[in-house]
Amino acid sequence: SQKIEQNSEALNIQEGKTATLTCNYTNYSPAYLQWYRQDPGRGPVFLLLIRENEKEKRKERLKVTFDTTLKQSLFHITASQPADSATYLCALSQMYNTDKLIFGTGTRLQVFP
Amino acid sequence: DSGVTQTPKHLITATGQRVTLRCSPRSGDLSVYWYQQSLDQGLQFLIQYYNGEERAKGNILERFSAQQFPDLHSELNLSSLELGDSALYFCASSVGGLNEQFFGPGTRLTVL
Repeated sequence: SQKIEQNSEALNIQEGKTATLTCNYTNYSPAYLQWYRQDPGRGPVFLLLIRENEKEKRKERLKVTFDTTLKQSLFHITASQPADSATYLCALSQMYNTDKLIFGTGTRLQVFP
Repeated sequence: DSGVTQTPKHLITATGQRVTLRCSPRSGDLSVYWYQQSLDQGLQFLIQYYNGEERAKGNILERFSAQQFPDLHSELNLSSLELGDSALYFCASSVGGLNEQFFGPGTRLTVL
C-alpha cells in the first residue's frame, strides 16, 4: 500500500542544535516533494520544494534532501530557535498527477531554551 | 497572511444538515484546492479546481461537492452531515502546476 511516514513522536531539541526530520514514502513515484510548517489551529505554510532530480535545497537555516533510492527526504533546521516549534509536514505529488499533494501526518518539533 | 480567505471561521451544525464553505484564492492564483484535516487522518486532499474546471480529485465523499466560479472563488458543499465530518477544512491556492500552495486559515466544522 502507499504510505508517507513521518515520526509520529515529537522531536524535542535544545535551542541552537540542528533539528532533523524524516519523511519516508512507499509505493509512490514523486515528481517533487514539499515541506510545510503548521502551527496549532492554523493553515500550513510552505517552506521548501525539491524536485525528484535534485539532491538538496537550502533556504536560510533550512535544508532539505531528497533521496529517491532510499525513498526518503530529510529536513534540517540549523541553529534552531524556540520560534521553530511547530508541526512539520512533508507532502509529495506524483509524476502522473502533479497537482495533487499527498501529505504525511507530520512531526511535532519542540525547541526548548 | 497567505492572501487566501475562508469563511466562516467556525461552523456548528447538526447531523443531516448541509453547509457551504467559501474560499477566495490569492490574487492571480487560478488553482484552488480543498483539504480536510482531522486528528486521526491528517491533512487529506479532497479536490482541485483550475480556472473553473475540476482538475484532480482525492477521496472526496459523494455527499461533498465543490465548484469554482468565474471570479475564481470556490465553495465546498457538505451535505447529509455526519459526526465524522467534524474537522478543519482548508482551502489552498496556487498558480498551478509544480508550485507551492498557499493555505487559508481554515473553517472548523463541528457536527453535533
